[in-house]
Amino acid sequence: DTAVSQTPKYLVTQMGNDKSIKCEQNLGHDTMYWYKQDSKKFLKIMFSYNNKELIINETVPNRFSPKSPDKAHLNLHINSLELGDSAVYFCASSRSPGLAHEQFFGPGTRLTVL
Amino acid sequence: GQSLEQPSEVTAVEGAIVQINCTYQTSGFYGLSWYQQHDGGAPTFLSYNALDGLEETGRFSSFLSRSDSYGYLLLQELQMKDSASYFCAVRGGGDSWGKLQFGAGTQVVVTP
Repeated sequence: DTAVSQTPKYLVTQMGNDKSIKCEQNLGHDTMYWYKQDSKKFLKIMFSYNNKELIINETVPNRFSPKSPDKAHLNLHINSLELGDSAVYFCASSRSPGLAHEQFFGPGTRLTVL
Repeated sequence: GQSLEQPSEVTAVEGAIVQINCTYQTSGFYGLSWYQQHDGGAPTFLSYNALDGLEETGRFSSFLSRSDSYGYLLLQELQMKDSASYFCAVRGGGDSWGKLQFGAGTQVVVTP
C-alpha cells in the first residue's frame, strides 16, 4: 500500500504553461508539505498545510499556489512556468506539525520546463 | 535564520564505519533528524534526536550535543546499498516551528 503518492511522476512542459501536481496520503496524517529539490539536491520547503489550513508559506513566487481539499490531499498548481522551476517536487506528510521531524515523502515529481 | 553544515561527500569501503557530522545554527531548536535518499528516490526518515546522547537503530546511530549545536550520523558495517545521500535536518522553534530545515546533504559512496 502506497503511503504518500504523487502524480504525475514526470512532467515535461513548455515555458509559460500552467501545470498541477497532485498528492495523496493514506496514513491518516494531519500535516502535509511541498518541497522543491534542485539539481544540487538541496531540499527546500515551500508550503505546509495542517488539516486543510495553510501554516507554512515560504518565500516562493506567487505563481505557485497550493490547495488542500481535505487533509489527505495536497495539490500544487504552477502558473506561467519558467526554466528555473525545473526540479523534483516532493510531497510529504507528518502526524502533526509538532511531529515534523518525522516526515513521509512521496516518490517525487520530476518537472522539466523547456 | 537557520543554517546547517555537513560534508558534501564521504567515500568508504564495504564493512567500514562512516561518521557524517552536522553543525547547525538556529534561533530555536527542538531536535535533529536524519534522512537517507538514494539516487532517483525519495528521502526516508532514519532517526531523530531531541536530547543529548546516542540513539542506535541497527547499524545506524545518531548523536546529538545541544550545547555544541552538533550532531552526527554513524553508519557501521557499511554495505553497498548504503550508497546514498544523507541529510541532517533541524526542527526549529519560533517562526520555524513545524518546519524542517534540511542541510545540503552528504553523498556517501561505498566501494567494494
